[in-house]
Amino acid sequence: DQQVKQNSPSLSVQEGRISILNCDYTNSMFDYFLWYKKYPAEGPTFLISISSIKDKNEDGRFTVFLNKSAKHLSLHIVPSQPGDSAVYFCAASGQGSSNTGKLIFGQGTTLQVKP
Amino acid sequence: GAGVSQSPRYKVAKRGQDVALRCDPISGHVSLFWYQQALGQGPEFLTYFQNEAQLDKSGLPSDRFFAERPEGSVSTLKIQRTQQEDSAVYLCASSRGLFSGANVLTFGAGSRLTVL
Repeated sequence: DQQVKQNSPSLSVQEGRISILNCDYTNSMFDYFLWYKKYPAEGPTFLISISSIKDKNEDGRFTVFLNKSAKHLSLHIVPSQPGDSAVYFCAASGQGSSNTGKLIFGQGTTLQVKP
Repeated sequence: GAGVSQSPRYKVAKRGQDVALRCDPISGHVSLFWYQQALGQGPEFLTYFQNEAQLDKSGLPSDRFFAERPEGSVSTLKIQRTQQEDSAVYLCASSRGLFSGANVLTFGAGSRLTVL
């Protein structure tokens, strides 16, 4: 069972426009959500996180929104730049008393930002 | 070290061979995780260490997979009698541990295993 889902395998946007990447989850016990960015032949790098008690977290061009009732989060990148072209993974952690800090990842969305 | 270091970066094995993948976590990081990433998929959890103790190995796909971290720093993931379905990128990640806030994992570049 896929606890974290990214239903859009790819997204293409024009430079300067907004990129919106979406993620759905099924486990209401998750307490943190993270976004990672991955370039080819490199490991994923941390981008931004949000606690389940918040509904928004912003860091520069990156904003993450959390809708707990819908079990949905999204990452907004404004304005998008060609260097943002990468695979973006949504991840979740915290599963109650058995929490080890491990992250559960979605399948990833490939973002292409066209100049 | 400054980051998580993994070796080898690329490994080609014949089916049935044993392989060993090494991970050097960030110095002082208590938590260490191994993930498997198949082509076009997200990383899938394999196992977790807190210092030298392997506290969660629920993601290891079979008893051919074995991981250790004997001194609480360097870790080795061993795969015995490799099969074609073991072909993937194996990612190691470390973190300071669970204190407060999100447990941000720092990943290495991965070891790409190809089993022929």
